[in-house]
Amino acid sequence: NAGVTQTPKFRILKIGQSMTLQCTQDMNHNYMYWYRQDPGMGLKLIYYSVGAGITDKGEVPNGYNVSRSTTEDFPLRLELAAPSQTSVYFCASSYRVLSGANVLTFGAGSRLTVL
Amino acid sequence: AQSVAQPEDQVNVAEGNPLTVKCTYSVSGNPYLFWYVQYPNRGLQFLLKYITGDNLVKGSYGFEAEFNKSQTSFHLKKPSALVSDSALYFCAVRDGTGANSKLTFGKGITLSVRP
Repeated sequence: NAGVTQTPKFRILKIGQSMTLQCTQDMNHNYMYWYRQDPGMGLKLIYYSVGAGITDKGEVPNGYNVSRSTTEDFPLRLELAAPSQTSVYFCASSYRVLSGANVLTFGAGSRLTVL
Repeated sequence: AQSVAQPEDQVNVAEGNPLTVKCTYSVSGNPYLFWYVQYPNRGLQFLLKYITGDNLVKGSYGFEAEFNKSQTSFHLKKPSALVSDSALYFCAVRDGTGANSKLTFGKGITLSVRP
């Protein structure tokens, strides 16, 4: 049971390049999330998904896209990288809990630098 | 809108002393409150949560947190700190009465435990 796996761990991009951050979970969780973490800012939700084929925007979706073709995978796409997207990105997943008290399981993170 | 305030950037304690990491929150409905910990170069890990019931919640690694509705606080505590507790601690809140409410994280507090 690997939990939530993110790749790559580190990446340097040039302005205007595109890339995809991969996220896979093997816990059969319904919900998946992408957060970015900036120093002193906590975590901001980029996109989330409540199941295969369903995605929705979070607090800071601009400049990103996602897809959820399977329960296991939730890739995050950066189309035109900008310096403002330099951050640490975390993927997370959880079961659907009717009360809303679901606990998130996080991946180890992907550190992205845009120069 | 819901929010979380973690007023300190860093908390320093000596090993063996009690520790408190502060968190206050704002939600319009019933609060669901969480603490997560992040060790260096790792993803966040769940520590404990408050949904309802007893105001004192016990979690992993000897941590506990006290929910105080009148002060809208959810401070994290441990009777005797260990050097290995040194990490970044995040408080998070969700509006439990909102079907589509999302988890909002605080900015995080660095706990440093000196030998």
